[in-house]
Amino acid sequence: QMQLQESGPGLVKPSETLSLTCTVSGGSIRSYYWTWIRRPPGKGLEWIGYIYNNDNTNYNPSLKSRVTASVDASKNQFSLKLTSVTFMDTAVYYCARFNGDNGMDVWGQGTTVTVSS
Amino acid sequence: SYVLAQPPSVSVSPGQTATITCSGDDLGDKYVCWYRQKPGQSPLLVIYQDYKRPSGIPERLSGSNSGNTATLTITGTQAMDEADYYCQVWDSSTAIFGGGTKLTVL
Repeated sequence: QMQLQESGPGLVKPSETLSLTCTVSGGSIRSYYWTWIRRPPGKGLEWIGYIYNNDNTNYNPSLKSRVTASVDASKNQFSLKLTSVTFMDTAVYYCARFNGDNGMDVWGQGTTVTVSS
Repeated sequence: SYVLAQPPSVSVSPGQTATITCSGDDLGDKYVCWYRQKPGQSPLLVIYQDYKRPSGIPERLSGSNSGNTATLTITGTQAMDEADYYCQVWDSSTAIFGGGTKLTVL
């Protein structure tokens, strides 16, 4: 059974870059689309973007100028970079498998990122 | 950009039927997914392609989608169903989530 695990620093300073990694176990990263979602405190889910094999990406228009996703197939990992963070980027960040019309059907446990000086 | 509207909260008594709506322009032309999120947990896919249930999701959760409204129905609601529920669609290769509905089982 496929499992996902997010990792990365829990605290990032304003104006710096947030970097997260999602490790995929129980299956190949090459076979699916992968996506990032976040939930700010007291708010709902917000989609960040998706990636497929480093050659197909799409991002939330509201974040597009600051987001980059990548895949490292050799490590079965995919990553997220969000530049120039502010306190508005404080959230629980989730990675998930995007299985087309079958939805986002496998999720990581989430990792809390706080933006603070 | 495409917008999905959900009621912020829905309350239901145990054993009764809970109905959570999701509205959007011509929503019936899109596939709707529903996710459940309990406090401290990751979201869980409970409905995809409007009405299909992933393995392990009980039959008392059902979905429909027509016109401008999609509906998640929970029959025989239990305390364990108390959670936030989100609808989601794809529009122009962008994932759109509704604002979420907090289901309270009183």
